[in-house]
Amino acid sequence: ETGVTQSPTHLIKTRGQQVTLRCSSQSGHNTVSWYQQALGQGPQFIFQYYREEENGRGNFPPRFSGLQFPNYSSELNVNALELDDSALYLCASRLGGHYGYTFGSGTRLTVV
Amino acid sequence: KNQVEQSPQSLIILEGKNCTLQCNYTVSPFSNLRWYKQDTGRGPVSLTIMTFSENTKSNGRYTATLDADTKQSSLHITASQLSDSASYICVVSGTSGSARQLTFGSGTQLTVLP
Repeated sequence: ETGVTQSPTHLIKTRGQQVTLRCSSQSGHNTVSWYQQALGQGPQFIFQYYREEENGRGNFPPRFSGLQFPNYSSELNVNALELDDSALYLCASRLGGHYGYTFGSGTRLTVV
Repeated sequence: KNQVEQSPQSLIILEGKNCTLQCNYTVSPFSNLRWYKQDTGRGPVSLTIMTFSENTKSNGRYTATLDADTKQSSLHITASQLSDSASYICVVSGTSGSARQLTFGSGTQLTVLP
């Protein structure tokens, strides 16, 4: 599938640093969700944005925050990085409630 | 609690053989169920999507079934190819409240050997 682009593809950060991951969705995709996927595990829901407002959140601490912009792009920000934050971060967007989600290829974050 | 359970956890088959992956869910209320294929280190790619009223959906060599009464789904892969080696994830979407977010299974890791 095409249309959801994530950047960067890979990233290495030091414990305690901050990171911003970006996602560019298809035009009209007003719902975007972010997921954390540890190696060998299924994706874990971080939060969801609908029309630039957060409207759902999983069991992640406040140092995980996000933004959604009018141009259908979004960001995931993680402060005070910990080693356990090392994972594949996925964003997924959809056109509306009756449509399925399209996933990006993910950003592989390594915290050392 | 919304849950999606997949079986088997891993599967090894020979090229050309068929296989069936299972998915049981407890998500309620139910909106749709998707099977995704995820290559290592990549994002999931949708194979099929099924709503409450659909029993079978095919996409090439992939055929998904859904029994909304028993809350079970299966993904059948016909004439497997080496490129089918990947993790297959069952994802269920609810329609309201905490079920609004997607509930993921842990996936079945399929390995196709020559």
